Amino acid sequence: DQQVKQNSPSLSVQEGRISILNCDYTNSMFDYFLWYKKYPAEGPTFLISISSIKDKNEDGRFTVFLNKSAKHLSLHIVPSQPGDSAVYFCAASAGDKVIFGPGTSLSVIP
Amino acid sequence: DAGITQSPRHKVTETGTPVTLRCHQTENHRYMYWYRQDPGHGLRLIHYSYGVKDTDKGEVSDGYSVSRSKTEDFLLTLESATSSQTSVYFCAISAVSGSYEQYFGPGTRLTVT
Repeated sequence: DQQVKQNSPSLSVQEGRISILNCDYTNSMFDYFLWYKKYPAEGPTFLISISSIKDKNEDGRFTVFLNKSAKHLSLHIVPSQPGDSAVYFCAASAGDKVIFGPGTSLSVIP
Repeated sequence: DAGITQSPRHKVTETGTPVTLRCHQTENHRYMYWYRQDPGHGLRLIHYSYGVKDTDKGEVSDGYSVSRSKTEDFLLTLESATSSQTSVYFCAISAVSGSYEQYFGPGTRLTVT
């Protein structure tokens, strides 16, 4: 039973438009959430995170929103660029362990 | 880039043989993790370490063992490899804990025939 779900395996967006990647979780004990980006044949790289005491965190073109009551978070990328094409993993943690979602493959079309 | 390397980068082995993967870091980070990545499952935690000789199990630890005798090295051993262990294995490090950002190595592609 997946504790962290990313129900869209893939997403295509036009360059310059907004990309919205969604993530749902089931464990209410998670208190920290992270997004990682992965290019083919490379390890994942950290993108942005948010604590459960916040509902929004912004870093340049990337914004993460957290809705604790719905156990839902989303990553907004605006404007989207071709270099953003990658697999995005949502992750949630409680203590030392981190649980990753299955990932969403984002394609930004020039 | 964080100083984290994995060896070997690619390995093909036969069912039933032992395999050891090595993760080496130069950052002196306390936490080290082993994950496997499979289609449809994302990254799943195998084992992690929170200090020298301190390790704990993750989600998919069956068939794997780990050792950490030095801060910089974290070894993952498949005692008797099976085809279900064909995967891409990533090592990660973190200064604080899993609740904070982890730095990942480049991965090891393991094929068990």
